[in-house]
Amino acid sequence: AQSVTQPDIHITVSEGASLELRCNYSYGATPYLFWYVQSPGQGLQLLLKYFSGDTLVQGIKGFEAEFKRSQSSFNLRKPSVHWSDAAEYFCAVGAGGFKTIFGAGTRLFVKA
Amino acid sequence: ETGVTQSPTHLIKTRGQQVTLRCSSQSGHNTVSWYQQALGQGPQFIFQYYREEENGRGNFPPRFSGLQFPNYSSELNVNALELDDSALYLCASSPDTGGVPLDQETQYFGPGTRLLVL
Repeated sequence: AQSVTQPDIHITVSEGASLELRCNYSYGATPYLFWYVQSPGQGLQLLLKYFSGDTLVQGIKGFEAEFKRSQSSFNLRKPSVHWSDAAEYFCAVGAGGFKTIFGAGTRLFVKA
Repeated sequence: ETGVTQSPTHLIKTRGQQVTLRCSSQSGHNTVSWYQQALGQGPQFIFQYYREEENGRGNFPPRFSGLQFPNYSSELNVNALELDDSALYLCASSPDTGGVPLDQETQYFGPGTRLLVL
């Protein structure tokens, strides 16, 4: 069955430090992978997506993610975190035809 | 683009009641999906509509139903509300990109309707 696992429920980083959010997926075919961000009281905003090609994907707000098929991972990274990045981050997989499966999310806290 | 809007923003109902949530998609977006996001969880896919027809459904009972209208608006209806239906309900619209599989399309999410069932 398709699934997405985000092992870290919450992460705290200092402003200016680097960030990596982990995502592992289980999917039988070639996955379509997404990272979304959700700020309090807001809907989800797409940060980046991977369909095929270059395994390092650039997104908005300085985020990038790397698809590693051998590890079934799609980790999100940012070299320098800003206080405005504090939010909840969701990894998701396109599960065929119409369905998107989301992970449980990782809440990011940013220390001043 | 005007974005995706949802109404109401918050709603309180009692167990057994029925509720209708509304979504207004971006113009030209013929696909709308609905998700349920329980507290502390990721969104769970309820169903998707494409050009006013249900296009797929997640693991939700038939008391969850929907409608999509030609004017890019849609509704999520839930009958016989249960306490566990308390959640944030999100709609997301996608444009027609001609031949691209629907799971590749970028979804644009509304801010959600927070439903509390007492």
